[in-house]
Amino acid sequence: QVQLQESGPGLVKPSETLSLTCTVSGGSVSSGSYYWSWIRQAPGKGLEWIGYIYYSGSTKYSPSLKSRVTISADTSKNQFSLKLSSVTAADTAVYYCARAKLTPPLVGGLAHYYFDYWGRGTLVTVSS
Amino acid sequence: SYELTQSPSVSVSPGQTARITCSGNALPTHYAYWYQQRPGQAPVLVIFKDTERPSGIPERFSGSSSGTTVTLTISRVQAEDEADYYCQSADSSGTYPVVFGGGTKLTVL
Repeated sequence: QVQLQESGPGLVKPSETLSLTCTVSGGSVSSGSYYWSWIRQAPGKGLEWIGYIYYSGSTKYSPSLKSRVTISADTSKNQFSLKLSSVTAADTAVYYCARAKLTPPLVGGLAHYYFDYWGRGTLVTVSS
Repeated sequence: SYELTQSPSVSVSPGQTARITCSGNALPTHYAYWYQQRPGQAPVLVIFKDTERPSGIPERFSGSSSGTTVTLTISRVQAEDEADYYCQSADSSGTYPVVFGGGTKLTVL
């Protein structure tokens, strides 16, 4: 059974960098079958995809966060990480890490992703 | 940006059938996925590729697709089904490979 566990500071000051780590057990971030992702949820709001990293090191980020996001992986520790720079109160959210699977495209469509395993989430508050 | 539209809320009595819809222009060419999120918990995948059910998900949960609308149907609703439900898919340009709907709050009366 795959398990994911987020860790990191629960409080970050405005303008600083939010840093979180996701530790994976029961699976490998080196696997070529999956994409290791970050998703967040502001209090009382819906889900927002942040980005993912593939075992090759390639990444893709949400256009709305791309300028501030970096996702990296440490295969020796079976972990992947999120860094979000220049945070504001709007970045206060529960941050989830998740495993994504690729779905081949339908006719006329593009390959896309869905999430089959999620961590429990960690609340990060941005406040001075 | 691309949007998936869900109605904010649905209410049903126990034993009835709940239907939650999600609309988006790219749904005819991209599968939809559904997640259940109980209060204080992480989302759980309940339907993938429009109609398939992961192992461990009750048969009461089913999905369907018609044109630009996909539907999550929960038969014989139970109190434990009260949760937020999110659809997810992708846009047709590749700019947004992951898009979530705004979520639907299912209330069991």
